[in-house]
Amino acid sequence: GAVVSQHPSWVICKSGTSVKIECRSLDFQATTMFWYRQFPKQSLMLMATSNEGSKATYEQGVEKDKFLINHASLTLSTLTVTSAHPEDSSFYICSAPGLAGGRGFSETQYFGPGTRLLVL
Amino acid sequence: AQSVAQPEDQVNVAEGNPLTVKCTYSVSGNPYLFWYVQYPNRGLQFLLKYITGDNLVKGSYGFEAEFNKSQTSFHLKKPSALVSDSALYFCAVRDAASGNTPLVFGKGTRLSVIA
Repeated sequence: GAVVSQHPSWVICKSGTSVKIECRSLDFQATTMFWYRQFPKQSLMLMATSNEGSKATYEQGVEKDKFLINHASLTLSTLTVTSAHPEDSSFYICSAPGLAGGRGFSETQYFGPGTRLLVL
Repeated sequence: AQSVAQPEDQVNVAEGNPLTVKCTYSVSGNPYLFWYVQYPNRGLQFLLKYITGDNLVKGSYGFEAEFNKSQTSFHLKKPSALVSDSALYFCAVRDAASGNTPLVFGKGTRLSVIA
C-alpha cells in the first residue's frame, strides 16, 4: 500500500515552545491529508483536514491558532503546535487517501507512524 | 451522521482459537468499511476494506471480515489466532457518496491472544 511518513516520531519540549510535525506521502500525491489526535487507550479524534493550496478545515473545538496546518505541496503537510502546554501532550497521527505511485482517488486512508509529543 | 460501534473494549482468546472482533455501523447511504490495527506507539496499519461486491473480504495477516447489510455489521475474524495478533483494532466507516472525507472510527477493541 501507499506509504506515509511522519517526523519526528518523538518530541519532548518545554512549555511555551512551538513544535512542528511533518507528514509526507512518500509514493503518492495527496491533495488531502487528515490530522488526528489520540489519547492513551482511546480512539482517534479528527482535528483537521489539510487541503493542498488552501486553508485547512478544523473540527469543532479545535483551536486553529493553536494548531497551525500548512499543506504547501502535494506530498507534505505540517502541523505546528504553537506555545505548547502540558495538556497538548498526545499522540498525533496523520493520514492520507492514496494509491501507491499515482494521484488517483483511493477510498483507503494510509496512516503515518505517529508523533508522540510530551510537553514538560 | 456516520457512526461506528465496537461493543467490546477487550477480547481475549487463546492462541490457535478463532477470533471475532465486532463492529456495527450507521451511515445514511452505502458504506465504505475498513479495519485497521495499531501496535503500541505506532500508527494505524490497514488490514482490509469493503467497498462493493463480495460480502466476505479477505485482508492482511489472514484476517477477513463479512459485510452484513441487514445487520449493519462488519465483524473482523481470523480462523486461528496468533500471539502476535495482540493489538488494538479499529473499525471505520464513511459514506460512499461523501467524497474525499475522513473516516469515522470506532473506539477500538483491544485483542489479547494468550499462549
